[in-house]
Amino acid sequence: KNQVEQSPQSLIILEGKNCTLQCNYTVSPFSNLRWYKQDTGRGPVSLTIMTFSENTKSNGRYTATLDADTKQSSLHITASQLSDSASYICVVRGQAGTALIFGKGTTLSVSS
Amino acid sequence: DVKVTQSSRYLVKRTGEKVFLECVQDMDHENMFWYRQDPGLGLRLIYFSYDVKMKEKGDIPEGYSVSREKKERFSLILESASTNQTSMYLCASFKAGANGELFFGEGSRLTVL
Repeated sequence: KNQVEQSPQSLIILEGKNCTLQCNYTVSPFSNLRWYKQDTGRGPVSLTIMTFSENTKSNGRYTATLDADTKQSSLHITASQLSDSASYICVVRGQAGTALIFGKGTTLSVSS
Repeated sequence: DVKVTQSSRYLVKRTGEKVFLECVQDMDHENMFWYRQDPGLGLRLIYFSYDVKMKEKGDIPEGYSVSREKKERFSLILESASTNQTSMYLCASFKAGANGELFFGEGSRLTVL
């Protein structure tokens, strides 16, 4: 069964600290993986996409990694800010019409 | 910028009422989706549509129906609202292609009393 598991479920960190969110999937065959950020009361917005051939991709203070062999992705946030407080959702797409598979998300709280 | 607009941000309805949630996108995307989002359960797919007048059931279609009369508009209908349909409802349109992306609306928070 195609599944996406995210960990931790929630995380609290101090402003300025780094953190890493994990996404493990069983979707096969794999096409791509997206990380979305969802601010409280808003719709999710795409942060980055990882395709099969990509290992690392940065978007400002956000760095995503992908290990297609172990079917794992991570989202690393550097020098966290209060505005990073949000839910982060991992979405995996399989090939050839496979549905988008959503993780349940990680809720990050950054405190001052 | 792609814009997905949901007609109501907050609604309060009574059990048994008929509820319409409207969603409009301005990027000519063929695929549109309705999800509900609940704490601890993540986003779950209710219905999706890949073309005008076409619809497909998602993972949790019971108690819902949809309408897609025009390409830009996708409506979610609760024929007889129940308290267990209290939730956040998110509409999305999908930019097709190898690296297709979902564009979400701001969400409609529905409370059924």
